Amino acid sequence: AQKVTQAQTEISVVEKEDVTLDCVYETRDTTYYLFWYKQPPSGELVFLIRRNSFDEQNEISGRYSWNFQKSTSSFNFTITASQVVDSAVYFCALSGTHGSSNTGKLIFGQGTTLQVKP
Amino acid sequence: GAGVSQSPSNKVTEKGKDVELRCDPISGHTALYWYRQSLGQGLEFLIYFQGNSAPDKSGLPSDRFSAERTGGSVSTLTIQRTQQEDSAVYLCASSTDRGIDNEQFFGPGTRLTVL
Repeated sequence: AQKVTQAQTEISVVEKEDVTLDCVYETRDTTYYLFWYKQPPSGELVFLIRRNSFDEQNEISGRYSWNFQKSTSSFNFTITASQVVDSAVYFCALSGTHGSSNTGKLIFGQGTTLQVKP
Repeated sequence: GAGVSQSPSNKVTEKGKDVELRCDPISGHTALYWYRQSLGQGLEFLIYFQGNSAPDKSGLPSDRFSAERTGGSVSTLTIQRTQQEDSAVYLCASSTDRGIDNEQFFGPGTRLTVL
């Protein structure tokens, strides 16, 4: 079975604090992809990053960084020096081969609501 | 360029009525997905279209739900005899090709409220 767990339902921080959003996944696929999407108050899901199961290198993009660890089945997302504009719901998602299927459908976690206060 | 568009943005209907939700994918995108976002269930996959292949309907919650994609472009999601538990935001996404690595571009969604 494929499953994504985001244990943190809501996080509240003060601007300029660092914050880490946790994501743990389950899959029997050997080839899979992990994604993070941001959903601001406007509602539209915005793609942030994609990582394949064979690439465990951490990635940094500006204030955003991602830590992928296959040993713990985790793909955590850190925002450094958070800003009010980072306030949104963040979703972690998994895409795998599901056996013979290769549709690319996403299995989402429940999402983490991040509130950054000024 | 234009992103994924969906209409209507909001739909209020009475229990038992049928509704149609429309999705216009990004031009040239061959793969199209429907998802549902509800308070109790989070974001769930509903159905997937890719070119002329048979759609993957494995996520449709009941036979009251159906979808079609005409001419490989616009898609319509139809819910018959709506129930209150169908209230949710219905999201459409498209991508350049099928595949587990493809970035999906999401539309703004249709908020459906069943009274």
